[in-house]
Amino acid sequence: GAVVSQHPSWVICKSGTSVKIECRSLDFQATTMFWYRQFPKQSLMLMATSNEGSKATYEQGVEKDKFLINHASLTLSTLTVTSAHPEDSSFYICSARDWSSGSIKNTGELFFGEGSRLTVL
Amino acid sequence: AQSVTQLDSQVPVFEEAPVELRCNYSSSVSVYLFWYVQYPNQGLQLLLKYLSGSTLVKGINGFEAEFNKSQTSFHLRKPSVHISDTAEYFCAVRPYNQGGKLIFGQGTELSVKP
Repeated sequence: GAVVSQHPSWVICKSGTSVKIECRSLDFQATTMFWYRQFPKQSLMLMATSNEGSKATYEQGVEKDKFLINHASLTLSTLTVTSAHPEDSSFYICSARDWSSGSIKNTGELFFGEGSRLTVL
Repeated sequence: AQSVTQLDSQVPVFEEAPVELRCNYSSSVSVYLFWYVQYPNQGLQLLLKYLSGSTLVKGINGFEAEFNKSQTSFHLRKPSVHISDTAEYFCAVRPYNQGGKLIFGQGTELSVKP
């Protein structure tokens, strides 16, 4: 199947700093990527939909100025957590949809990255 | 709007026993249905999916699920579990024509004991 890679896998930062997480589709082009947040022992909550070449669409309750999303190319989306605080500590997971295959386009299958664990001290 | 309910937060089971992880959903539109597995500190891996056709779908690692439209359920089953099946399992739905957005259930922690 298609491969989605996230970097970094782990990041520890001081409160008040900004952290960037990358999500790359390695063997396909992804016009749409999705960012999820997962708290310990909880489900994945969709944060935003990242669209190549346009602004991201944020879910209700997600601060767009806090979580900056950029999707500058067909294979890369970035999530920047600005002025991070301890409550931002979480597991962030991206996913991407491969539009190149007609069958996949109609089935909605997404490919997930390995996740990035952010710890803010 | 859509919602997904996984009825059991934790399921302990002995090795080689059968297991069923329950999932119910609510949606005003048609949806595709998925089961994912997550191992600690890792992303999600697709186990199986229902798109159309036969309501019994088979996935990887010996798992299968059955779509029941009248009961809006998509329960996951395995006839004989292994220690390596210990993980978190998520049921998810994707509404038709909403750009790939997935709505997840709360997750079920499957713990297989020797």
